[in-house]
Amino acid sequence: NAGVMQNPRHLVRRRGQEARLRCSPMKGHSHVYWYRQLPEEGLKFMVYLQKENIIDESGMPKERFSAEFPKEGPSILRIQQVVRGDSAAYFCASSTTGADKLFFGSGTQLSVL
Amino acid sequence: DQQVKQNSPSLSVQEGRISILNCDYTNSMFDYFLWYKKYPAEGPTFLISISSIKDKNEDGRFTVFLNKSAKHLSLHIVPSQPGDSAVYFCAARINAGNMLTFGGGTRLMVKP
Repeated sequence: NAGVMQNPRHLVRRRGQEARLRCSPMKGHSHVYWYRQLPEEGLKFMVYLQKENIIDESGMPKERFSAEFPKEGPSILRIQQVVRGDSAAYFCASSTTGADKLFFGSGTQLSVL
Repeated sequence: DQQVKQNSPSLSVQEGRISILNCDYTNSMFDYFLWYKKYPAEGPTFLISISSIKDKNEDGRFTVFLNKSAKHLSLHIVPSQPGDSAVYFCAARINAGNMLTFGGGTRLMVKP
């Protein structure tokens, strides 16, 4: 049973480009969460999705950031027109309905030059 | 507004001794608490949890204590081992949703 899969592990973008981060949840998990970890900081919640629905996006910046979890395929976190401050580790987690805990992927390290 | 705080950014202990990691929270709606362990370049992995109806949960070398009146929980690791060296995150959840609120983490270093 594969765990939460994130790709790419490392992503380098120049300022103004778009970044697309992918997350495939664990088999049987229908809830996906995205967290961001800035250097020397903790994990900050960004968005919580279920299939085809955004449940809570209270942690998402108002502009340039979007997330989706389509009926088929992985969840995508999209950052448009990246800036240096977007450089961080982005973690995806998944769970089943009513689960006590989240299972995390290994993260995508985004570096903006 | 930081609802979950880990006031010690780092902790160093000798192998075989006890490690105590602390966590404070402000939101009285939190009713479930978890500890995650994170190695460099990896995602956090679940370690141990406790429901707000309990004050202690033990799993092998790991014990979590919850003091609801003080809004404080702690993780005890005994005996500490060099392989325990990692960043430990405290997290809390409101029953209404699965979203976890994390503290800033404590880097534990266990010296041989």
